[in-house]
Amino acid sequence: EVQLLESGGNLVQPGGSLRLSCAASGFTFGSYAMSWVRQAPGKGLEWVSGISGGGGSTVYADSVKGRFTISRDNFKKMVYLQMNSLRGEDTAVYYCAKVGSAQYYFDFWGQGTLVTVSS
Amino acid sequence: EIVMTQSPATLSVSPGERATLSCRASQSVSSNLAWYQQKPGQAPRLLIYGASTRATGIPARFSGSGSGTEFTLTISSLQSEDFAVYYCQQYDKWPVTFGPGTKVDI
Repeated sequence: EVQLLESGGNLVQPGGSLRLSCAASGFTFGSYAMSWVRQAPGKGLEWVSGISGGGGSTVYADSVKGRFTISRDNFKKMVYLQMNSLRGEDTAVYYCAKVGSAQYYFDFWGQGTLVTVSS
Repeated sequence: EIVMTQSPATLSVSPGERATLSCRASQSVSSNLAWYQQKPGQAPRLLIYGASTRATGIPARFSGSGSGTEFTLTISSLQSEDFAVYYCQQYDKWPVTFGPGTKVDI
């Protein structure tokens, strides 16, 4: 059974930093790309960032480019999202999602972790 | 980026009725379209990918159709557990983008 468990969400001041983690199990982790998708309170879904199975290729939404960094540790089966220079508009539930086998849809999602950016 | 729109914003139906949800892309996405279901307080769940392929474990009452810019998700006979928000997502071009969602309520 595929399981994704996020952690690290918290209340942080504008301009601050936070690191999210996602622990994966139940599949051949290094064979799949992974992504972070966020959802602001009461709003829709927004893709944030993705990383290839081997970790050598990363992509970002324009809204976070230069501020967020995605990484992974295939030995530990973990994905991370380092978030710097946080803004109020980054407030959201952040979901870790497994990318489908050949295309960039998301076939499994974690339960999400809440990031609140406020003074 | 490709803009996804969904209609209607809210769909009110009764259990046992058929529901038809629409999704439109601002440019062709071929068949690179997925549908997700999200219930309150829960993560999204993949229903359909490739515009018409049901994900593992998804009941046959859910079906997807369309290609290019126009797509449809049909729920043939609504069950109580189907009342939720439904999102479409294109993955044809970067960045991948989601529609704003259709809420299906009673």
